[in-house]
Parts: sequence; structure tokens; C-alpha cells
Amino acid sequence: GDSVTQMEGPVTLSEEAFLTINCTYTATGYPSLFWYVQYPGEGLQLLLKATKADDKGSNKGFEATYRKETTSFHLEKGSVQVSDSAVYFCALTAGGSYIPTFGRGTSLIVHP
Amino acid sequence: GAGVSQSPRYKVAKRGQDVALRCDPISGHVSLFWYQQALGQGPEFLTYFQNEAQLDKSGLPSDRFFAERPEGSVSTLKIQRTQQEDSAVYLCASSLGGRGVNTEAFFGQGTRLTVV
Repeated sequence: GDSVTQMEGPVTLSEEAFLTINCTYTATGYPSLFWYVQYPGEGLQLLLKATKADDKGSNKGFEATYRKETTSFHLEKGSVQVSDSAVYFCALTAGGSYIPTFGRGTSLIVHP
Repeated sequence: GAGVSQSPRYKVAKRGQDVALRCDPISGHVSLFWYQQALGQGPEFLTYFQNEAQLDKSGLPSDRFFAERPEGSVSTLKIQRTQQEDSAVYLCASSLGGRGVNTEAFFGQGTRLTVV
């Protein structure tokens, strides 16, 4: 079945450091790929998405590129802020399914 | 409303008690999803509604779990005879499109259920 694998957390960084959170997937057909973010005490919010190979999704300084050849959708940000501290979830929809499948999440902690 | 609203935010139930969790989706949204999120894990799919029709309930873990959306708007997830393993955050999400239409899912804040 479809699945998403994310790197284990927590990821702990100092402010202004470069961020990478790895995500790889297994899916039938050509999935759409998403990153969701969950800030403390809040619901999941869509951060960015990409719907076909080589697309780059971007939002709030975050970006991720849909890499079909490596089945990856790694999340990156050039300079993180304390306010980016949250849990990040990689997700996909595939094979005509409308139901997002999520990874287990990666906690990001950014220190001043 | 402005977003997906879930109630209660927190629920403590004694083992064996029945519980009902409510979800108010964004007005006009056709699709509604329920997920279960255990501590430290990602959301796991439970069930899907398109309007009032429950099109997929493959993720419901047992026949103690039941969901409904009778008028195609508000949905209720009911858990009968709760067990400790039911302790989790239950997430509701809605999206504008129907089945096969890939539109963004908007999530509520969730209901944290603790079974003691």
C-alpha cells in the first residue's frame, strides 16, 4: 500500500540554521505530495504541495521538490526561526484516492 | 464557520463508557475525513464521507467505532465501550471537492480522548 517515511525527530537547530527534513514515499501511480505543519495546540495546516514530478512547492520560506526518480519530497528552509518550531508531516494522495496518507511526523525545535 | 471545529477539545472517559465526538466542517465542504493520531505518530485514516454518504470506513479499528453525517454537514464519531487503546487525538478534516477531486484538506484542532 501507499506509505510515507520521514526522518526521526526531534530535529534541534539554532535560529538561522539551514533545515532539511527528509521524506520518501511508496505509492501507486503518480501521487500528489504535501507537507503539513502542526504548531503547538493547533490543528494541521497545509504548508505546501506539489502535484507532479519536478514541481517545487513553496510557502513561508519553506520549499520541497517532487523527485520521482528518488521518490522523495524533502522539506528545506534556508534560515529557520524560533516560530518555525512545530511538528511537520509529509503526506500523499495517490492512485485516484482522495484520502491523504501521512508520515509519522518530525518535530522541529529551534533555539534562539 | 471560519474553520473546522471539533468538540469537545478534551474528553476523559472511564473504560467501558461510550463517547461521542463532534465535527463541524467548513460550510459547503463536500468531503469529511476522520483520523486517529496516537502520541508521537502521524494521523491514521478512519473513515470518509462525501456529503451524507459514508464511502470508506476501511480504517475503523473495530465495530465499536461508528461515524455518521446524516445531513451532509456535522459529523459525529462514536466509540462504544471505550478501551485504553482508544486513547488518542481524533482529527476531523474537510475539503471542498468530492471523491476523486484532490483539493486541500482543512483540519480541526482535534479531540484528545483519554480512557482511564
